[in-house]
Amino acid sequence: GAGVSQSPRYKVTKRGQDVALRCDPISGHVSLYWYRQALGQGPEFLTYFNYEAQQDKSGLPNDRFSAERPEGSISTLTIQRTEQRDSAMYRCASSQTHGTGELFFGEGSRLTVL
Amino acid sequence: AQSVTQLDSQVPVFEEAPVELRCNYSSSVSVYLFWYVQYPNQGLQLLLKYLSGSTLVKGINGFEAEFNKSQTSFHLRKPSVHISDTAEYFCAVSERNQGGKLIFGQGTELSVKP
Repeated sequence: GAGVSQSPRYKVTKRGQDVALRCDPISGHVSLYWYRQALGQGPEFLTYFNYEAQQDKSGLPNDRFSAERPEGSISTLTIQRTEQRDSAMYRCASSQTHGTGELFFGEGSRLTVL
Repeated sequence: AQSVTQLDSQVPVFEEAPVELRCNYSSSVSVYLFWYVQYPNQGLQLLLKYLSGSTLVKGINGFEAEFNKSQTSFHLRKPSVHISDTAEYFCAVSERNQGGKLIFGQGTELSVKP
């Protein structure tokens, strides 16, 4: 597609529910990243993929968070047993390669956990 | 580990005035430096980046930044701002060759008034 597409744009869920956030990167981009942005803060790195391989998941806060990119294109970030502290904007970005940092960001998925 | 400090959370300025948004970083290794801009309800967009070479970097929309290694700074400047420059600006750093794994500052909200 023309840009990075994320869905849903807004998600409201109850504490304890699982949520899945989807990212469709720019066609042909090798690298895909997930960031989380709390209100009034800069984005915080969660994890990234080169093709289908998860290269770094050091930013995932705990084992309730997981991500996959099974065919090297679309990625899903899953949060199990959501908690109120998970409320944030989740941003996906893609780039042609990992090294030089020109990331193209989607508009984000705003998650609210009640 | 790296960190980024944006010294001003909000910068109000009149149209056609010059502006400087300040950014300082800390790192024990060589880094890449970036400025991203976020317009309301949009994803982040790369303004400019420093990878190596000339310390004065020019970006889109008339912005430029200067890498100062001795002062560990990467301040963003524009000689004459427009109303359309109103947005949030994020400074970010990454380790060399890890350009997609960014550490962001907290952001500076630039508000341009007529």
